Amino acid sequence: NAGVTQTPKFQVLKTGQSMTLQCAQDMNHEYMSWYRQDPGMGLRLIHYSVGAGITDQGEVPNGYNVSRSTTEDFPLRLLSAAPSQTSVYFCASSYSVANSYEQYFGPGTRLTVT
Amino acid sequence: QQQVKQSPQSLIVQKGGISIINCAYENTAFDYFPWYQQFPGKGPALLIAIRPDVSEKKEGRFTISFNKSAKQFSLHIMDSQPGDSATYFCAANRPSNLNNAGGTSYGKLTFGQGTILTVHP
Repeated sequence: NAGVTQTPKFQVLKTGQSMTLQCAQDMNHEYMSWYRQDPGMGLRLIHYSVGAGITDQGEVPNGYNVSRSTTEDFPLRLLSAAPSQTSVYFCASSYSVANSYEQYFGPGTRLTVT
Repeated sequence: QQQVKQSPQSLIVQKGGISIINCAYENTAFDYFPWYQQFPGKGPALLIAIRPDVSEKKEGRFTISFNKSAKQFSLHIMDSQPGDSATYFCAANRPSNLNNAGGTSYGKLTFGQGTILTVHP
């Protein structure tokens, strides 16, 4: 199993550009989520999904869109990039076993917006 | 609003010493408290977790102590090793009302700010 994969690893955008961060998992997990990691702030939940077609907002959803058309994929779209979106983005997936919520994280995408 | 507060921001320990990282939370609805370990350039990985009906959980050199009345929990790393040098995050799960087609409900994790642990040889 490849686990959780993310592409690209690095990306530089200009203000106002749009792009999609890709995330895929091959563990048949129903739950997938996106976080951003900023120094001194830990990881903050952007959006999450509990299955195909079911998504909800997290703590910091503004400026980001998601959709979940398959179990495997959960892309994150930046509509109009801003310097405040410079961050490291992590995708994670999990399954619920006896109410244990262990999340498996991808390797991250480092995004710089100039 | 930071619902999970973690301290210290950084910690330096000698090899063989005990590393202690503390977290405090506000929301009594939290039902699951994991600790994640992150090495540079990698994603976080689950280290150990506890539920609020248990006061302590031990796995090898790692122990979580949980104080429900004080709304605090901590990670203890015994016999700390240079290989333990990493960033540690506490987290707390809040149940979500969002169920999937199978009726399974998941939660939302809120993370602490992180602690950079350095273990000197």
